[in-house]
Amino acid sequence: QSVLTQPPSVSGAPGQRVTISCTGSSSNIGADNDVHWYQQLPGTAPKLLIYDNTNRPSGVPDRFSGSKSGTSASLAITGLQAEDEADYYCQSYDSASVARVFGGGTKLTVL
Amino acid sequence: QITLKESGPTLVKPTQTLTLTCSFSGFSLSARGVGVGWIRQPPGKALEWLAHIYWDDDKPYSPSLRSRLTITKDTSNNQVVLTMTNMDPVDTATYYCAHSRGGSKFDNWGQGTLVTVSS
Repeated sequence: QSVLTQPPSVSGAPGQRVTISCTGSSSNIGADNDVHWYQQLPGTAPKLLIYDNTNRPSGVPDRFSGSKSGTSASLAITGLQAEDEADYYCQSYDSASVARVFGGGTKLTVL
Repeated sequence: QITLKESGPTLVKPTQTLTLTCSFSGFSLSARGVGVGWIRQPPGKALEWLAHIYWDDDKPYSPSLRSRLTITKDTSNNQVVLTMTNMDPVDTATYYCAHSRGGSKFDNWGQGTLVTVSS
């Protein structure tokens, strides 16, 4: 059972917009700890996609965006492309356990 | 350019101790704010953070695995070593090491190494 809760799967057609939620608690996201998002393509290592809630590393398309409010965060992907089909994980820091924590992951299917 | 690479046994027997090495380049683990973490992923399952070591030798561990883990660094050889005792088949996973600097994010990851626990 992951500390951060994500939907197991989301899907969308090419060109559409999808969002992935990440729900935490008062000891992690709600404690003003930053949320980061990773994209894991099949058979590869995770790649940092969004950091510190809303920032994109160099090279990440602006189709990807992040937001955070209260004890939750969201990843939005606009203009869906076939290459976006992957697993997406949120991650934050839990102040109570002094630990980095991950979500359970969300599998994105592009229809 | 930051690179990390994990190495270690691909197969261990139950109750044995696993030792994994993360060899890295492109950064110094003696630089302020820098850290290296270990994360694992059982086949078909989610990522799980295991441990982290900072430039100042601070070493936070996963609360659920703390009693079995030890993380150390060799700054001069650019390596971080993770040991996990009393291995069990449920510990079968791909083990990743990753770089961090400032905050809790992991901005560069190794390719991962699959460790299978079986007799």
